[in-house]
Amino acid sequence: GQNIDQPTEMTATEGAIVQINCTYQTSGFNGLFWYQQHAGEAPTFLSYNVLDGLEEKGRFSSFLSRSKGYSYLLLKELQMKDSASYLCAVKYDYKLSFGAGTTVTVRA
Amino acid sequence: DGGITQSPKYLFRKEGQNVTLSCEQNLNHDAMYWYRQDPGQGLRLIYYSQIVNDFQKGDIAEGYSVSREKKESFPLTVTSAQKNPTAFYLCASAEDPTNEKLFFGSGTQLSVL
Repeated sequence: GQNIDQPTEMTATEGAIVQINCTYQTSGFNGLFWYQQHAGEAPTFLSYNVLDGLEEKGRFSSFLSRSKGYSYLLLKELQMKDSASYLCAVKYDYKLSFGAGTTVTVRA
Repeated sequence: DGGITQSPKYLFRKEGQNVTLSCEQNLNHDAMYWYRQDPGQGLRLIYYSQIVNDFQKGDIAEGYSVSREKKESFPLTVTSAQKNPTAFYLCASAEDPTNEKLFFGSGTQLSVL
C-alpha cells in the first residue's frame, strides 16, 4: 500500500515562515506534488518535484529527497490568505496518492 | 473559460437510492479521476479513466460505478451498495495520464438523509 505522512496542523504568525514536512513510502514514484485547498473548495496546484532538490516559486518553495522519501513545502512571508490545508501527493502508475493534509492557520 | 464543472454542489441520498454526480470538462483532457475526501483523511481514488471508453478501479471502487462515453464527461454513480457515502467528492482531469498537473472541480458534498 501507499503511506504518506504529514502533520495534521500547524500555526504561524503573519509574515513568518512555515515548513510542512511530508514523508512517503510508495510502491512507485513518478513525482511529488503539493496542492493548496481552502475549506469547501477544490485543491489547486502549487508545485511539482521529480528530481532531488529545491524548486522555488515566489513565496513558496518545495524540496525533495527521493533517497529519504522526504519532501517539504516552505511558505515564506505568510499572509492571512495562506490559511488553508496543504496536501502532499505522490504520483505512481499514472495515479496520485494523497496524504491527509496539513491545516495551516495564520494568525495576525 | 475552460474548466471542470461538478454538479450539484450539494446532494442528499435516501437509503437504498442510487445517485449520480456529474463531472464535465472542456479542457480537452484525456484523463479524468474521481476522489473521495473525508474529514481528517487524504483524498482517496475511486475510479479513473485514461481515455474515452476506458476506465479502471481505484483504491475504493466498491459501491461506485462510472462511465466514460464522451471525452468531456465522467459521471460517478454512488450505488445503494455504498454503505457510508457521506463525503466530499472531487472530480479531476489531466491533459493525459502522464501529465503531472491535475485540475480539480469544485466538488460535490453528498449526505445521507
